[in-house]
Amino acid sequence: GQNIDQPTEMTATEGAIVQINCTYQTSGFNGLFWYQQHAGEAPTFLSYNVLDGLEEKGRFSSFLSRSKGYSYLLLKELQMKDSASYLCAVMDSNYQLIWGAGTKLIIKP
Amino acid sequence: GAVVSQHPSWVICKSGTSVKIECRSLDFQATTMFWYRQFPKQSLMLMATSNEGSKATYEQGVEKDKFLINHASLTLSTLTVTSAHPEDSSFYICSARIPDEAGGPADTQYFGPGTRLTVL
Repeated sequence: GQNIDQPTEMTATEGAIVQINCTYQTSGFNGLFWYQQHAGEAPTFLSYNVLDGLEEKGRFSSFLSRSKGYSYLLLKELQMKDSASYLCAVMDSNYQLIWGAGTKLIIKP
Repeated sequence: GAVVSQHPSWVICKSGTSVKIECRSLDFQATTMFWYRQFPKQSLMLMATSNEGSKATYEQGVEKDKFLINHASLTLSTLTVTSAHPEDSSFYICSARIPDEAGGPADTQYFGPGTRLTVL
């Protein structure tokens, strides 16, 4: 079967760095997406990786290793507004998005 | 770019009535739109994939006669919850897949703001 694993919840301190991991097992691979979802709101697109390596976008970076079926989202200089759920999603060989359950990130002052 | 709107933002209705939710891509044409449902503290659940001009493809366990989807144009898809019951109360979110020429990675899904449905 297809499976996306990410931690259920993480806690970090304002101003610090946090890494949210995602491992996947899917039938084929056509890219990995990270979305941010604040409570009560719809997800917003953060990043997309289809090749191995690191993609940096401001305070957020996303890394992919296709051979290991592994990705992480790195958030630097954490702000209180970064408190949200972070969803990892993989596009399989049929171009269907397989969603992880999300990681709830709690930022403490 | 890549803005998706959804209307209404929230709706309260009586059991047995029908509710229509609209999803629009505002600055691009979306040949494919998706409808999701999300219960509190749970993950997104894909209900159906809507392709312009053809019948929607429903996920296993989703009743196509209860959740009617119409994608009559490249910028509008509608979801109608027919004969709504309290267990249909949920957060319904649509997304549109961005075509290559609209910018951003192809196949990225951009989400509408969601519709919170409460059935009394």
